[in-house]
Amino acid sequence: AQSVTQLDSHVSVSEGTPVLLRCNYSSSYSPSLFWYVQHPNKGLQLLLKYTSAATLVKGINGFEAEFKKSETSFHLTKPSAHMSDAAEYFCVVSDRSSGNTPLVFGKGTRLSVIA
Amino acid sequence: DSGVTQTPKHLITATGQRVTLRCSPRSGDLSVYWYQQSLDQGLQFLIQYYNGEERAKGNILERFSAQQFPDLHSELNLSSLELGDSALYFCASSPVPRGDGETQYFGPGTRLLVL
Repeated sequence: AQSVTQLDSHVSVSEGTPVLLRCNYSSSYSPSLFWYVQHPNKGLQLLLKYTSAATLVKGINGFEAEFKKSETSFHLTKPSAHMSDAAEYFCVVSDRSSGNTPLVFGKGTRLSVIA
Repeated sequence: DSGVTQTPKHLITATGQRVTLRCSPRSGDLSVYWYQQSLDQGLQFLIQYYNGEERAKGNILERFSAQQFPDLHSELNLSSLELGDSALYFCASSPVPRGDGETQYFGPGTRLLVL
């Protein structure tokens, strides 16, 4: 079965400093991996996804993530945090070998950005 | 705006009651997914429909049921409600459920409060 572990429940950074949100996954098959963001009182928005192409994936709003199979990781990074980045971030896995693609969510990392 | 709509936005009801949540997928999307987000369980997959047929089941209680209609909108029915059913319920849609990590687009959610 697939699972994801988000290593930090809360990350706090200063505006203009780098962001690192950590995610490790477990999957029996070649996984698809996603990062979604949820702003307060809003729905979920896709930031980026990895399916099988380039291991470094670029997403919206300057975010990117690197798929490292040897480390079973898919960490999310951004060079410089903005106040508007404050939100809940979810690392998500789906099993590409299956015709059914329900998503399995991590528990989320809350990102706070300090002015 | 993802193109997925959900009604109502908020719902307050009493224990033992029954409610229906409605979801309209993005134009052209055949697959609908329901997820529950609660403080203690996080985001969990409930059920998936594809073109009117149930496709996959997750952690859905027997008191809950869903269906997808010929116009592809979906309804999630929650009955004999308990306090613990208070949560944010998301609907997501995707074009076709394939094993390649098809992106799911999420609606804004329905916040259910059971008193």
